[in-house]
Amino acid sequence: GAVVSQHPSRVICKSGTSVKIECRSLDFQATTMFWYRQFPKQSLMLMATSNEGSKATYEQGVEKDKFLINHASLTLSTLTVTSAHPEDSSFYICSARGNLYDRGRSPEQFFGPGTRLTVL
Amino acid sequence: KQEVTQIPAALSVPEGENLVLNCSFTDSAIYNLQWFRQDPGKGLTSLLLIQSSQREQTSGRLNASLDKSSGRSTLYIAASQPGDSATYLCAETTGGGADGLTFGKGTHLIIQP
Repeated sequence: GAVVSQHPSRVICKSGTSVKIECRSLDFQATTMFWYRQFPKQSLMLMATSNEGSKATYEQGVEKDKFLINHASLTLSTLTVTSAHPEDSSFYICSARGNLYDRGRSPEQFFGPGTRLTVL
Repeated sequence: KQEVTQIPAALSVPEGENLVLNCSFTDSAIYNLQWFRQDPGKGLTSLLLIQSSQREQTSGRLNASLDKSSGRSTLYIAASQPGDSATYLCAETTGGGADGLTFGKGTHLIIQP
């Protein structure tokens, strides 16, 4: 399967600071990237969908001004948590998918290893 | 709004048993359904993906089925091993595959040695 990386794997920051998380597709062009969040003992919840070169689409209840998403290239998407607070502490996971309309392209989303954010 | 439900929430069985994990979904316009494994504090490992036109997929000791008419999927694990202990998540996607995944809350599986 395709490989997706995330950086950093773990970050601890002070309340009020901003944190940037990178998601990279290493061996394929990711037309679409998704960002998910997982709170302790909960399942993954979709936060936003980003298509290369377009503005991200956010799920209901997710503040677009707090969670800034940039998908400037076919291999990189970034999620910036602005003015982080302790309630933003969570496990953030990205996934990437190629162009659905490419012949033979798998519809599968490939997941990164996740980033654990702790806000003090 | 799509909903995905998994039962049981937790399961503990002796090593060697065959077991079935259940997943139900509400959206009949499902595009595909995936089963994942998540180890504590880790990311996701994709196990099986079933497209809406398929009825089942197999990989080693794992077999996943999909019944769109009843809104159900099952993950069958044969000859369970302690290394199978993990949380198993099912997730569906709709919108022709353009949408993100909707996940269930998972089944926490413990295989007793």
